[in-house]
Amino acid sequence: EDKVVQSPLSLVVHEGDTVTLNCSYEVTNFRSLLWYKQEKKAPTFLFMLTSSGIEKKSGRLSSILDKKELFSILNITATQTGDSAIYLCAVPSGGSGTYKYIFGTGTRLKVLA
Amino acid sequence: KAGVTQTPRYLIKTRGQQVTLSCSPISGHRSVSWYQQTPGQGLQFLFEYFSETQRNKGNFPGRFSGRQFSNSRSEMNVSTLELGDSALYLCASSPGLNFLSYEQYFGPGTRLTVT
Repeated sequence: EDKVVQSPLSLVVHEGDTVTLNCSYEVTNFRSLLWYKQEKKAPTFLFMLTSSGIEKKSGRLSSILDKKELFSILNITATQTGDSAIYLCAVPSGGSGTYKYIFGTGTRLKVLA
Repeated sequence: KAGVTQTPRYLIKTRGQQVTLSCSPISGHRSVSWYQQTPGQGLQFLFEYFSETQRNKGNFPGRFSGRQFSNSRSEMNVSTLELGDSALYLCASSPGLNFLSYEQYFGPGTRLTVT
């Protein structure tokens, strides 16, 4: 069965620290891996990584995909209190009629001032 | 562009009742997916609608159903509510024919509490 596992489950850091969040996956037919940030309710999209785009960067956030070892990491440098959120990763799974995104349970990040 | 909207935002129901949740996608988006989020199970896919047809389905019982209208707005219905149905229900829209090729835009969710 396809699955996504994130680690750590939670993390507490101080402003200015650098954090690395992990997402490992097992999926029959890999297409992509997505990262989302969930602050209050609605997850917001961060990155999509594919076979043709294994590194993405946006400001202080960056992500890489290792298709050989089946994992991705999300790095946040110079963390700020506004980075406090749950970070989710997701991979598409299934076949026709059963396509879906499988989400990990997330990493809860708390950044202290 | 306005984001994905969901109504109501909060709902309290009693076991055995049924409930209908509504989702309006971003203008131009034709794919609407529904998710259940609970502390123990995380985000779990319910189903996806495209052009008024259920195109993909997760592993939830038949008590969970949905539909999509010609304007892409979608509703989700849960019949015979159980305590375990208490969760945050999220709706997400995406633009394309293949919803796996695009990121999804999530609404703020409906918090359902079943007592």
